[in-house]
Amino acid sequence: DVKVTQSSRYLVKRTGEKVFLECVQDMDHENMFWYRQDPGLGLRLIYFSYDVKMKEKGDIPEGYSVSREKKERFSLILESASTNQTSMYLCASSFRPWGDTQYFGPGTRLTVL
Amino acid sequence: RKEVEQDPGPFNVPEGATVAFNCTYSNSASQSFFWYRQDCRKEPKLLMSVYSSGNEDGRFTAQLNRASQYISLLIRDSKLSDSATYLCVVVTGTASKLTFGTGTRLQVTL
Repeated sequence: DVKVTQSSRYLVKRTGEKVFLECVQDMDHENMFWYRQDPGLGLRLIYFSYDVKMKEKGDIPEGYSVSREKKERFSLILESASTNQTSMYLCASSFRPWGDTQYFGPGTRLTVL
Repeated sequence: RKEVEQDPGPFNVPEGATVAFNCTYSNSASQSFFWYRQDCRKEPKLLMSVYSSGNEDGRFTAQLNRASQYISLLIRDSKLSDSATYLCVVVTGTASKLTFGTGTRLQVTL
């Protein structure tokens, strides 16, 4: 069974703080993704990575950066958190980049005060 | 027009009923389609892929209508455990962009 884990289920941060969200997968997948999910907007892709040290912007990369130093780990960084980044953040991995099953982690509910 | 559109629902149906959801997509070049299921406060999980010829998995049937640009999900003999949000996913273009719909909520009642 594929397992994708995320570092926290719930996180509360203050405006301006630097926030790190970590994601680890155990299936040796090359492709990893970060999404945010908001009511009425669905899942939106922030960044994805198709290999170690490689990254591509998704639909809404502004205010975010990512790091992929090891194949199994993909980190999302909010350089200076803002209230409009309050959301559910979901990490996913897949064997092929697109058109393939995406395996999601349990999500991190981030609240920025 | 949104790239992928779903009726948000909720669809409230009694146990044993048959229910169907549609998902429309705007880009005729879209090439792959999926249905994911998301339980309340949980992550999405793949329910089934949607093939041109249609496909069935137990009580679930997925269909693709390219001419009218929509995919459908039919659930027969609904169970309480089918209560969830159903997300359609469309893959489009040479860069194979993947777009999620906002989901349709199903509530199955006794």
